[in-house]
Amino acid sequence: DGGITQSPKYLFRKEGQNVTLSCEQNLNHDAMYWYRQDPGQGLRLIYYSQIVNDFQKGDIAEGYSVSREKKESFPLTVTSAQKNPTAFYLCASSLAGGGNTIYFGEGSWLTVV
Amino acid sequence: SQKIEQNSEALNIQEGKTATLTCNYTNYSPAYLQWYRQDPGRGPVFLLLIRENEKEKRKERLKVTFDTTLKQSLFHITASQPADSATYLCALANAGNNRKLIWGLGTSLAVNP
Repeated sequence: DGGITQSPKYLFRKEGQNVTLSCEQNLNHDAMYWYRQDPGQGLRLIYYSQIVNDFQKGDIAEGYSVSREKKESFPLTVTSAQKNPTAFYLCASSLAGGGNTIYFGEGSWLTVV
Repeated sequence: SQKIEQNSEALNIQEGKTATLTCNYTNYSPAYLQWYRQDPGRGPVFLLLIRENEKEKRKERLKVTFDTTLKQSLFHITASQPADSATYLCALANAGNNRKLIWGLGTSLAVNP
């Protein structure tokens, strides 16, 4: 089946550690996104990529990093510089250009312990 | 300032009735607006897209209207069912600015049997 796969579903991070969230899509989409969702707040864009080997910062990129070495993969690293990383992280993809449906993965819960 | 607002209070309706959810915006010039459904702990799922030059869109029991004069979109679910219970998000793509999506906080809908 076509879709977006995020892993792991649940992740615990110790203070000072970097963690990487995986996102893979087999929809042949050029554009991929990472969002963060917190209670009482809307989806906030962390990073997005419209083509392989290129990505742009979203609204809350500080403390995060990404790579786009392959069309189907867009991993997100939450670094120790992110002071409040506990949240629900959503990866998404779409066809390039505006006006296209965004397809989301099932999300990853990150908790700092 | 730019804002996109959805009903903050949860909406409770009886099965079989029509649910109407509201999405208001200020200081945006939307190219289009999308509606998504999100179940707890899962990623949003696309439902409908309406463009700024369209007044109404329908899909099965769903209907979306878009009034650029009132700066409002209404989302209707007719003959509602308990399975329609979820949070519904609206997302607006501003003209220009790479048509980045701006997300509302969502409205929680509960359909009671």
